[in-house]
Amino acid sequence: KQEVTQIPAALSVPEGENLVLNCSFTDSAIYNLQWFRQDPGKGLTSLLLIQSSQREQTSGRLNASLDKSSGRSTLYIAASQPGDSATYLCAVRQFVTSGTYKYIFGTGTRLKVLA
Amino acid sequence: GAGVSQTPSNKVTEKGKYVELRCDPISGHTALYWYRQSLGQGPEFLIYFQGTGAADDSGLPNDRFFAVRPEGSVSTLKIQRTERGDSAMYLCASSPILGQGAAGELFFGEGSRLTVL
Repeated sequence: KQEVTQIPAALSVPEGENLVLNCSFTDSAIYNLQWFRQDPGKGLTSLLLIQSSQREQTSGRLNASLDKSSGRSTLYIAASQPGDSATYLCAVRQFVTSGTYKYIFGTGTRLKVLA
Repeated sequence: GAGVSQTPSNKVTEKGKYVELRCDPISGHTALYWYRQSLGQGPEFLIYFQGTGAADDSGLPNDRFFAVRPEGSVSTLKIQRTERGDSAMYLCASSPILGQGAAGELFFGEGSRLTVL
């Protein structure tokens, strides 16, 4: 059974720091991995999608890497800003049966960037 | 529509009542997912539709929960005889099928916050 773990559970950093969020998964047979941002009381906003054949994806100050064989992904945030404060979640997409897929989520890392 | 739309955004009900939560996915997305999220937790899978049919309903916690998607677009999650433990954020997401650019990317709505008193 796939398990997705995110470390740390919470993180508080001063503005301007570069930081790394970690996501690990136990079953490497995944189709893709997606990083999301969630603000309090809101839905999830997609940040980056990495297909299983890719090693990394970049969007602005965000860079996500994927090492499928070791079951790990990292989300790198450069020059953090107070507006980056949110919960960051990763999810892996797995093939379940013919034509069906399941997304399995970690519990998230709660980030606070201090001004 | 431009994004996934969920209504109502907030629903307060009394224990034992019936509740319906609606999800309107991104136009053209054939895959639709329902998730439930409790405070401080990641989203927990409930049910997945491919077109009109429920391809995987293994996450529905019990027979009080049911979901439909009769025309392959809008979906309704139905909860009968609500209990206090059903209080959570209910999230809907849709995804394009393979071959339609950004294949497998999941797009979420803003959620429906259910509170059972």
